[in-house]
Amino acid sequence: ELKVEQNPLFLSMQEGKNYTIYCNYSTTSDRLYWYRQDPGKSLESLFVLLSNGAVKQEGRLMASLDTKARLSTLHITAAVHDLSATYFCAGPLRGFGNEKLTFGTGTRLTIIP
Amino acid sequence: SQTIHQWPATLVQPVGSPLSLECTVEGTSNPNLYWYRQAAGRGLQLLFYSVGIGQISSEVPQNLSASRPQDRQFILSSKKLLLSDSGFYLCAWSVLRLAGNTDTQYFGPGTRLTVL
Repeated sequence: ELKVEQNPLFLSMQEGKNYTIYCNYSTTSDRLYWYRQDPGKSLESLFVLLSNGAVKQEGRLMASLDTKARLSTLHITAAVHDLSATYFCAGPLRGFGNEKLTFGTGTRLTIIP
Repeated sequence: SQTIHQWPATLVQPVGSPLSLECTVEGTSNPNLYWYRQAAGRGLQLLFYSVGIGQISSEVPQNLSASRPQDRQFILSSKKLLLSDSGFYLCAWSVLRLAGNTDTQYFGPGTRLTVL
């Protein structure tokens, strides 16, 4: 079964700085998802990465997938306060398909003015 | 476009009381449906998933049960709540795997349950 580990668990950063959240997974996977959760709210889908070398960008967020290293990254460029949230990565429990996802424990990101 | 509804939004229940949370999806047919629980400050735990009417897979032994009486309706129930059942319950849906489909799971707004 796939296991997903995120780091760091907590991240405080100043506005305007760049940083990266890392998501390591334990076995072969054909996809990797990133979600955002605002405090007290539900999860919002950000990216799905389907192949080795896949890169997706939306605004100041960019996600990438390296299936050989079993690593996905979420890069934040020139952070702004609106990006404060908890970010989760997730992958299929069996390494493929979507019937069951396993989630990382999340990275709580706080952007300080 | 597809939308997913959950109700109630918040619920405070005494220990030992029954529970019924409802989730409905609009704008799609034969979705996969999921129930997750998130304890305070924690990640998500998959509780149940369903690939069709009456087809329920339970992921962890617990005090809860799920039913899918209609294609786009998913219900989470308990006969007697425990303190440990408190949490944020999220319903999610996805389409069945089709060529080129990303199979992303989309989450409802959630129900915050407090058991006292």
